[in-house]
Amino acid sequence: QSVLTQPPSVSGAPGQRVTISCTGDKSNIGADYFVHWYQQLPGTAPRLLIYGNNIRPSGVPDRFSGSKSGTSASLAITGLQAADEAVYYCQSFDSSLSGVVFGGGTKLTVL
Amino acid sequence: QVQVVQSGAEVKKPGASVKVSCEVSGYPLTELSMHWVRQAPGKGPEWMGGFDPQDAKAIYAQKFQGRVTMTEGTSSDTVYMELSSLRSDDTAVYYCATDSPGIAVPEGYYAMDVWGQGTTVTVSS
Repeated sequence: QSVLTQPPSVSGAPGQRVTISCTGDKSNIGADYFVHWYQQLPGTAPRLLIYGNNIRPSGVPDRFSGSKSGTSASLAITGLQAADEAVYYCQSFDSSLSGVVFGGGTKLTVL
Repeated sequence: QVQVVQSGAEVKKPGASVKVSCEVSGYPLTELSMHWVRQAPGKGPEWMGGFDPQDAKAIYAQKFQGRVTMTEGTSSDTVYMELSSLRSDDTAVYYCATDSPGIAVPEGYYAMDVWGQGTTVTVSS
């Protein structure tokens, strides 16, 4: 059971927009710790997509965006492409655990 | 550009220890926040420990405290993670990961921008 809760799967057709939610509580996202998002393709290390809730590292397309409100955060992907098919993870810091925590991951399927 | 290269795969017996190295190039290790993350087969990433930039000290996941040690090498460009009392459920890919100069602070606290290629650790009798 992950501290941060994500839906196991989402799907969308090419060109569409999808969102992935990440729900925490008052000891992590709700405590104003930043949320980061990663994309993981099969057999590769996770790739940082969004940090600081809504900042894209250099090289990440602006089709990816992040937001945060209260104890939840979201990752939005617009203009879906087949190459976006991957597992997405959210990450934050938890004051009760005094450590970094990851969500359980959401598998994105492009139909 | 920060690059991270890890040591090779390991096979260990239950009860043994494993030490994984992570060599950093392109930026001073002392100015990076290194973390260790593992991923069991078919599972999500699991944080083991790393450098807390807010308190400027190493922190460990409660689950691994007493069993994991993270150290720096004498050459100052290599970090190590040693996990002791290995069990079969420690079988996983172990990654070192770090922030980078391009990541703003404090927004980038605990973000992992550069990852090693991963080290597969297999624990089997």
